Amino acid sequence: AQKVTQAQTEISVVEKEDVTLDCVYETRDTTYYLFWYKQPPSGELVFLIRRNSFDEQNEISGRYSWNFQKSTSSFNFTITASQVVDSAVYFCALSDLYNTDKLIFGTGTRLQVFP
Amino acid sequence: GAVVSQHPSRVICKSGTSVKIECRSLDFQATTMFWYRQFPKQSLMLMATSNEGSKATYEQGVEKDKFLINHASLTLSTLTVTSAHPEDSSFYICSASASGFTASSYEQYFGPGTRLTVT
Repeated sequence: AQKVTQAQTEISVVEKEDVTLDCVYETRDTTYYLFWYKQPPSGELVFLIRRNSFDEQNEISGRYSWNFQKSTSSFNFTITASQVVDSAVYFCALSDLYNTDKLIFGTGTRLQVFP
Repeated sequence: GAVVSQHPSRVICKSGTSVKIECRSLDFQATTMFWYRQFPKQSLMLMATSNEGSKATYEQGVEKDKFLINHASLTLSTLTVTSAHPEDSSFYICSASASGFTASSYEQYFGPGTRLTVT
């Protein structure tokens, strides 16, 4: 069965601190996709990244970076120099290659960035 | 591009009544639409998947007679909560995907959600 675990329910940091959100997944599939979404207080999910299981290269996009490690089944997300606008709930999700539309979401991590 | 809207954004209804939530893809044709439910401070749970012109596929434990889904066109899907009860109060989110729409063919585009409160 597929499962996504986000052990951190809430994280609080002060602006400009770096913060890492953990994501551990379980799947029997050899090919799959991993995602991160941001849900601000308004409720709308914002797509951040999709990574397929064949690509273990880390990715950086501005202040955001992702560390994908198949050996530990983890897909962690780091925000560098956090800002108040980063305050949101962040979800990690998993889908298999042949049913890419079916997303299995983790329970989310609520990030609060204080000024 | 790739905007999904939901209407209404908030609805309050009395117990026993039915309420309809619309999900529209505004600038693309959605071959597949999805309905999720999110309880406060919890994750999104997929309720059902609908393809245009065919019956929705419901996830285990979701009552198909209670949560009626219609995907009548490539830009519109509706979720009707029939005979709503307070335990149906939740945040309902739809998403849409369109194969071959962009390079991000596997991406789901999410609507802003509808908060349903049943009194």
